[in-house]
Amino acid sequence: NAGVTQTPKFRVLKTGQSMTLLCAQDMNHEYMYWYRQDPGMGLRLIHYSVGEGTTAKGEVPDGYNVSRLKKQNFLLGLESAAPSQTSVYFCASSPRQGWYEQYFGPGTRLTVT
Amino acid sequence: ELKVEQNPLFLSMQEGKNYTIYCNYSTTSDRLYWYRQDPGKSLESLFVLLSNGAVKQEGRLMASLDTKARLSTLHITAAVHDLSATYFCALPSREAQKLVFGQGTRLTINP
Repeated sequence: NAGVTQTPKFRVLKTGQSMTLLCAQDMNHEYMYWYRQDPGMGLRLIHYSVGEGTTAKGEVPDGYNVSRLKKQNFLLGLESAAPSQTSVYFCASSPRQGWYEQYFGPGTRLTVT
Repeated sequence: ELKVEQNPLFLSMQEGKNYTIYCNYSTTSDRLYWYRQDPGKSLESLFVLLSNGAVKQEGRLMASLDTKARLSTLHITAAVHDLSATYFCALPSREAQKLVFGQGTRLTINP
């Protein structure tokens, strides 16, 4: 099993450009999450999904959209990137309701200039 | 709303010494998770504590949970350089199937 994978690993965007980050998991997990990590801020939840076709807002959802069209994939979109979205983005998954332990992907380092 | 606070946020210590990282939380929970993050890397699960009084040990790290005090500790015994990392505690939110993370404790162990 590859576990949780993220594409791309690094990306540089100009302000106003758009992009999509892909998260894929091969563990048949129901729940998937997108976090951002900034120095001194810990991990902040952007959006999450409790199953295929569902999404919900986390702590810092503004400026991001997500989709979960297939159970194994969770996409994070930035429609018009801003320098404040420079961060490291982590995807995570967990198996089922009541199982809270999360398994993390390797991260995507995004810089917006 | 669940609040999770770790202290200290930064810890620099010498090899061979013992120290403890504290994780306090604001609402009742019967489980707690510890994660490790090496610089530039992802988060890796360290311990899952599932009940009051739970104690887990792996190598020089020992984690415990006191649900009555709303406190978990991560104790480092005879620290070695390889334990340098950022350590996070996390607890499940009551509102949804998600974790609330502490700010992280950046541990640096000097030879």
